Amino acid sequence: SQKIEQNSEALNIQEGKTATLTCNYTNYSPAYLQWYRQDPGRGPVFLLLIRENEKEKRKERLKVTFDTTLKQSLFHITASQPADSATYLCALPRDSNYQLIWGAGTKLIIKP
Amino acid sequence: ETGVTQTPRHLVMGMTNKKSLKCEQHLGHNAMYWYKQSAKKPLELMFVYNFKEQTENNSVPSRFSPECPNSSHLFLHLHTLQPEDSALYLCASSPSTSGESDTQYFGPGTRLTVL
Repeated sequence: SQKIEQNSEALNIQEGKTATLTCNYTNYSPAYLQWYRQDPGRGPVFLLLIRENEKEKRKERLKVTFDTTLKQSLFHITASQPADSATYLCALPRDSNYQLIWGAGTKLIIKP
Repeated sequence: ETGVTQTPRHLVMGMTNKKSLKCEQHLGHNAMYWYKQSAKKPLELMFVYNFKEQTENNSVPSRFSPECPNSSHLFLHLHTLQPEDSALYLCASSPSTSGESDTQYFGPGTRLTVL
């Protein structure tokens, strides 16, 4: 069955630098992949969706790439700010239907 | 605010108690979901409702019982829970379950502690 791997270790980045988070999946390539942000004590909030035929997607300071050969998506935050500190989750549809399966998330800490 | 509300935000219950979690969405969506989130683990999908009909039950123990009286409201009835059921329970909604790229909108969750 499909599995998603995200770095379980927290990522510490200096303010102003680019933060890069990784999402790897193990089996079939999904039709799309989504990224969400989750703050402590809150539900995830949708950020970006990238489809299998798109190599890159941007939204303000956010950029997502999708490499179906490597079975990997990278999530970049440029000019990072302390307010970007949160846990970032990736999600993609299961093989049998469109229900999402989720990574455990990577905690990002932006230090001033 | 995402347009999805959950009550209560925190709940402490004993193993013999019966309680219910409530979720309401104000987005006009047709699909609603219950997820369980334990520390450092991926979100676990529990139940899916589409147009008030349950379309998925991910082998959830019968001590969790969902109810969806209409497309805007979703309940999770809890009965004789175990301490390992302590977690954050998240409700989400989406326009439907048939769209390949339907984004899910989450409520703030209910932090459940079972003593």
